[in-house]
Amino acid sequence: GENVEQHPSTLSVQEGDSAVIKCTYSDSASNYFPWYKQELGKGPQLIIDIRSNVGEKKDQRIAVTLNKTAKHFSLHITETQPEDSAVYFCAASKGGSYIPTFGRGTSLIVHP
Amino acid sequence: GAVVSQHPSRVICKSGTSVKIECRSLDFQATTMFWYRQFPKQSLMLMATSNEGSKATYEQGVEKDKFLINHASLTLSTLTVTSAHPEDSSFYICSARGVGTANTEAFFGQGTRLTVV
Repeated sequence: GENVEQHPSTLSVQEGDSAVIKCTYSDSASNYFPWYKQELGKGPQLIIDIRSNVGEKKDQRIAVTLNKTAKHFSLHITETQPEDSAVYFCAASKGGSYIPTFGRGTSLIVHP
Repeated sequence: GAVVSQHPSRVICKSGTSVKIECRSLDFQATTMFWYRQFPKQSLMLMATSNEGSKATYEQGVEKDKFLINHASLTLSTLTVTSAHPEDSSFYICSARGVGTANTEAFFGQGTRLTVV
């Protein structure tokens, strides 16, 4: 089955800096890669996603890149703010059934 | 994005009792709902997948008689933890995937913190 590795497990940055979280996946058939933000005591919230026919997608301060050949994808957050502090999960899935495999999560801490 | 409402957000129950958690899709019809369990500082563990009108498909190691899932309508799925014990204490999260959506993403509920005492 699919295996998703996510790094780092913890990321601490100063407000205004950029943050990058990286994930790798094992199943070359995976074609959908969402990223979720989970705040303490809440469910995950989809923040951005990318499909295998696209190499990069951007939404304001958030961008995701995908390298299908290397089977890795990354989340980039620019101009970080304290409210960006949360746990971020990457996931990979394939086909229409959408049963994602999640990474282990990255705890992002943005210091004011 | 679509809204998935999960209720209750927190519940405390006595050991041996059963607890029901509801997951509703508020503004779309969900053909498929997923139930996850999350331990502190860990990732989401898929427990089961349910399709409206069908029996749920449980992941390996998940007791179907203990975690009863009902998906009787396109907007509601329930998870009942039967004869709960302290080791069932956890954060339970549902997600729902819509009918005929062009995208394949699923939307998550707010989660339910279950504490069994």
